Amino acid sequence: DAKTTQPPSMDCAEGRAANLPCNHSTISGNEYVYWYRQIHSQGPQYIIHGLKNNETNEMASLIITEDRKSSTLILPHATLRDTAVYYCIVRVGSGGYQKVTFGTGTKLQVIP
Amino acid sequence: DTAVSQTPKYLVTQMGNDKSIKCEQNLGHDTMYWYKQDSKKFLKIMFSYNNKELIINETVPNRFSPKSPDKAHLNLHINSLELGDSAVYFCASSSNRGIYNEQFFGPGTRLTVL
Repeated sequence: DAKTTQPPSMDCAEGRAANLPCNHSTISGNEYVYWYRQIHSQGPQYIIHGLKNNETNEMASLIITEDRKSSTLILPHATLRDTAVYYCIVRVGSGGYQKVTFGTGTKLQVIP
Repeated sequence: DTAVSQTPKYLVTQMGNDKSIKCEQNLGHDTMYWYKQDSKKFLKIMFSYNNKELIINETVPNRFSPKSPDKAHLNLHINSLELGDSAVYFCASSSNRGIYNEQFFGPGTRLTVL
């Protein structure tokens, strides 16, 4: 799986959009971009994934650049409960078992 | 209606002891995992089982022995516990169907070895 690079920490004002970047310059054509988050002391939680098109769900939006070398997770209206470590992961989208490698992630602090 | 559950939530024990952590998922998934998150918060995969068969073993010491009695359960037994085993252990599961196989994580078991 390709490696990812994320800033170690970010702050965001409550109610504003949080934009979390991720670089994955060695991503290959069949690798998907996944985002998980880990709220303090809890298990990681899946947020969203995409291959090359932008994606949106009830939690967030994922913007993937045309060359697929980077992406941005957008939380449109950050709340205090969004304070967490956010992990960007790339892996082959194959069925069955997957070895998911978590990096160090971005610690997002939402400020009142 | 918890999807992935683990017991116990906290485990404090002495060096040299043997302990087990249990994991159960009620999602009907075929694949289950164990991860270790150390004090630096780095989350590393340890094992993966697919339909009760071991498929990923990430060079974990053989003091760690996973057991999968059925598809819904994956337990982790640790022999001769060491100080370095202190960490939070997360169980997870995912489906084999399709290619969008998000993993669902349990709440974690915080193991402290004294």
